[in-house]
Amino acid sequence: DSGVTQTPKHLITATGQRVTLRCSPRSGDLSVYWYQQSLDQGLQFLIQYYNGEERAKGNILERFSAQQFPDLHSELNLSSLELGDSALYFCASSVNTGGEETQYFGPGTRLLVL
Amino acid sequence: AQSVTQPDIHITVSEGASLELRCNYSYGATPYLFWYVQSPGQGLQLLLKYFSGDTLVQGIKGFEAEFKRSQSSFNLRKPSVHWSDAAEYFCAVGSYNQGGKLIFGQGTELSVKP
Repeated sequence: DSGVTQTPKHLITATGQRVTLRCSPRSGDLSVYWYQQSLDQGLQFLIQYYNGEERAKGNILERFSAQQFPDLHSELNLSSLELGDSALYFCASSVNTGGEETQYFGPGTRLLVL
Repeated sequence: AQSVTQPDIHITVSEGASLELRCNYSYGATPYLFWYVQSPGQGLQLLLKYFSGDTLVQGIKGFEAEFKRSQSSFNLRKPSVHWSDAAEYFCAVGSYNQGGKLIFGQGTELSVKP
């Protein structure tokens, strides 16, 4: 158990809908990362938040957005869903010790868009 | 461009045999290197990491990896594989200078024969 929690574990929805994925980082970790794992693209970095502020963006679609709240939990919002958005979405949190940063991953949320 | 290559998509070894999973990277900045393991339906578990110093690093579950800068490689090894090691293994590279995001290889699926 990494200490990173994600809810829900599974999500089934229809095209055009909107969903919210939630992540709680490990105690004391200020950074949260979101990744998408799909069969064709592999594991891809989406976005990073640090202590409530967006720090880095990767291959995140405009239909997707995220935020990190004062209690440091994060939410990833996916809207106007398409079949191709079906994937496993991971959240990771990290501790940065003197510039050496290790990310610990949650169990993921499996999204199926029908 | 930054990239991580795991040349072997699928490897099968006999239980008790030795294992080496290959990882090559292309990265402009000084890299940090990681190996993660993903069991079916599970999240990513950190096996080991390299930031600096001794180029041979020890991880959990009896795994080790060696950083070879001249070959841009970070191969994962285990002297004797157990049936429970069957899983997918991901090599990842990151850098403090690149905002901490990880770039992952495509993964190597390990099967273990009894």
